[in-house]
Amino acid sequence: EEQLVQSGAAVKEPGESLRISCRGSGYDFISYWVAWMRQMPGKGLEWMAIIYPGDSETRYSPSFQGQVTISADRSTNTAYLQWNGLKTSDTAIYYCATSLGFGYYDASGHRHPPPNFDYWGQGTLVTVSS
Amino acid sequence: EIVLTQSPGTLSLSPGERATLSCRASQSVGSNYLAWYQQRPGQAPRLLIYGASSRATGIPDRFSGSGSGTDFTLTISRLEPEDFAVYFCQQYGGSPGFTFGPGTKVDVK
Repeated sequence: EEQLVQSGAAVKEPGESLRISCRGSGYDFISYWVAWMRQMPGKGLEWMAIIYPGDSETRYSPSFQGQVTISADRSTNTAYLQWNGLKTSDTAIYYCATSLGFGYYDASGHRHPPPNFDYWGQGTLVTVSS
Repeated sequence: EIVLTQSPGTLSLSPGERATLSCRASQSVGSNYLAWYQQRPGQAPRLLIYGASSRATGIPDRFSGSGSGTDFTLTISRLEPEDFAVYFCQQYGGSPGFTFGPGTKVDVK
């Protein structure tokens, strides 16, 4: 059974660092893109970043570029999202998600991930408070 | 960046009724890269519809998607108790990537 299992809730103070994780199982982890989404309290979903574990190619939303770092460890089938210098505004639930479909190449040869996400982790609540 | 707008913000209906949810894009969504997700309270989102009109694996046929270009619709033909939730549309538009709509909450009238 395909599954994404995320690390547990974290409580941090402003300025601290944090890395949360998302472990894939039941499928060939390195062959499928993994994304992270943010959901602030009572709000909608925001795409943050995506990575292809096979070669670690990454893409970031302009809203999150420079604020977080996405990475993946092929040896443990795990994707990560990292902050260096948390803010209270980072308080949210973070979801990882993947699609077991394949991406595509456009006419200019640029690689694209699949356009939607069919498997989601259970979410990680990050609370940043002094 | 393609911005998605969903309407209505809240839809109050009774079990057994038909729900019609709208998602409008600020620019044409290429190749129908439009998906719909359901999110129940305290749960992760679940993919319902991809490619504007294809049901994801295991999704009941009371859920259907339609539309193209900038106007898309999710229809729930007869609401079951478990369908009262928030629904998000999402598009992939190359650059900067993925965007989600603000959501429509379907609650019990």
